[in-house]
Amino acid sequence: GAGVSQSPRYKVTKRGQDVALRCDPISGHVSLYWYRQALGQGPEFLTYFNYEAQQDKSGLPNDRFSAERPEGSISTLTIQRTEQRDSAMYRCASSLAGRDVVHGTDTQYFGPGTRLTVL
Amino acid sequence: GQNIDQPTEMTATEGAIVQINCTYQTSGFNGLFWYQQHAGEAPTFLSYNVLDGLEEKGRFSSFLSRSKGYSYLLLKELQMKDSASYLCATSLGGAGSYQLTFGKGTKLSVIP
Repeated sequence: GAGVSQSPRYKVTKRGQDVALRCDPISGHVSLYWYRQALGQGPEFLTYFNYEAQQDKSGLPNDRFSAERPEGSISTLTIQRTEQRDSAMYRCASSLAGRDVVHGTDTQYFGPGTRLTVL
Repeated sequence: GQNIDQPTEMTATEGAIVQINCTYQTSGFNGLFWYQQHAGEAPTFLSYNVLDGLEEKGRFSSFLSRSKGYSYLLLKELQMKDSASYLCATSLGGAGSYQLTFGKGTKLSVIP
């Protein structure tokens, strides 16, 4: 596609419900990142994939958060038993560079985000 | 860990030059990015510095001093459309993770 797409763009859910957020990266991009952005703050790293392999999940806040990218393209971030503190903008980013990147010179392109509101 | 500091807000006049500073304290630092984010939109890449010195790209330039843990973004000939948040971010690089660690962003308001 032309850019990173995310769906849904807005999600309102009740506390305790599970939600699944989808990210469709730029075609050919092998790296995919999930970030969370609070209002007035910069994005905060959650997790990262190279192809289908989850390389780093150190930013996931707790075990209610999980992510997958089973075929190395589309990714889903799942939040179980949502809490009000999970309310935020969830952003996905993708980049060309994967295992071949040296010194982190790949550029991450961000999607429009999913605004999650937990009531 | 990483600690990134940048001013919260700045105001500048259309046509002027503005410099947005960023200081960082990080272990395993590899490179520094600047992103622009208009209100309600996704961050978009502006520049990347891995070596000391100035990188110029049109009206935007970015400078890095690794020894001082310091970077700045220079915006020349300011236009109203440059009103946005400017995010400084560090990259760790190396094997495994290229996650970006962002500062809180500097909200720039360009006034006539």
